[in-house]
Amino acid sequence: QKEVEQDPGPLSVPEGAIVSLNCTYSNSAFQYFMWYRQYSRKGPELLMYTYSSGNKEDGRFTAQVDKSSKYISLFIRDSQPSDSATYLCAMSAYNYGQNFVFGPGTRLSVLP
Amino acid sequence: GAGVSQSPSNKVTEKGKDVELRCDPISGHTALYWYRQSLGQGLEFLIYFQGNSAPDKSGLPSDRFSAERTGGSVSTLTIQRTQQEDSAVYLCASRPRIPGQVNSPLHFGNGTRLTVT
Repeated sequence: QKEVEQDPGPLSVPEGAIVSLNCTYSNSAFQYFMWYRQYSRKGPELLMYTYSSGNKEDGRFTAQVDKSSKYISLFIRDSQPSDSATYLCAMSAYNYGQNFVFGPGTRLSVLP
Repeated sequence: GAGVSQSPSNKVTEKGKDVELRCDPISGHTALYWYRQSLGQGLEFLIYFQGNSAPDKSGLPSDRFSAERTGGSVSTLTIQRTQQEDSAVYLCASRPRIPGQVNSPLHFGNGTRLTVT
């Protein structure tokens, strides 16, 4: 079993839809969670990061962490064609060490 | 402010040649990482520098790969005797150490797209 699992998609939704992107993980040492957005031929861009279980909101984006189920989600409200990209989840233990683990990414297309 | 800068953005080289990829991290960021991203694949960790500590080289795929970080800032990833399987996007990331926080996220550059012919 991989440390981090993420459905690669592609996921296609109509403009204005609510998008749900998810990752599951197996290592209970992971305490710090990040979501990145990557456009074609660009580097990953940090969207959100959180330490704790529960929800964190930033504009149209909400990050949700359920440590008991080892499950994290990113919700995008009122999705726009400009949200079309690959979304990567990443996680790390509580330290400043090397160990960041990335999901393979979900490719999202928002259709006008 | 300025983000992580990588050069060149694209590099085409012949099999067997050496290449050098450069990364300028965000000013003040103490940690620097190199990752490799192949088509349709996830991010593969290569090497990690933290301050003046010895680098973590555990992700380097072979002894043809090496990296250095001079003066705690700019880093160079060198691939000797390139092979076609080295073709990928090489991403650099840096990270600050934030007082009072137990961790901080990575900030990536746009990568160097390496093609070995």
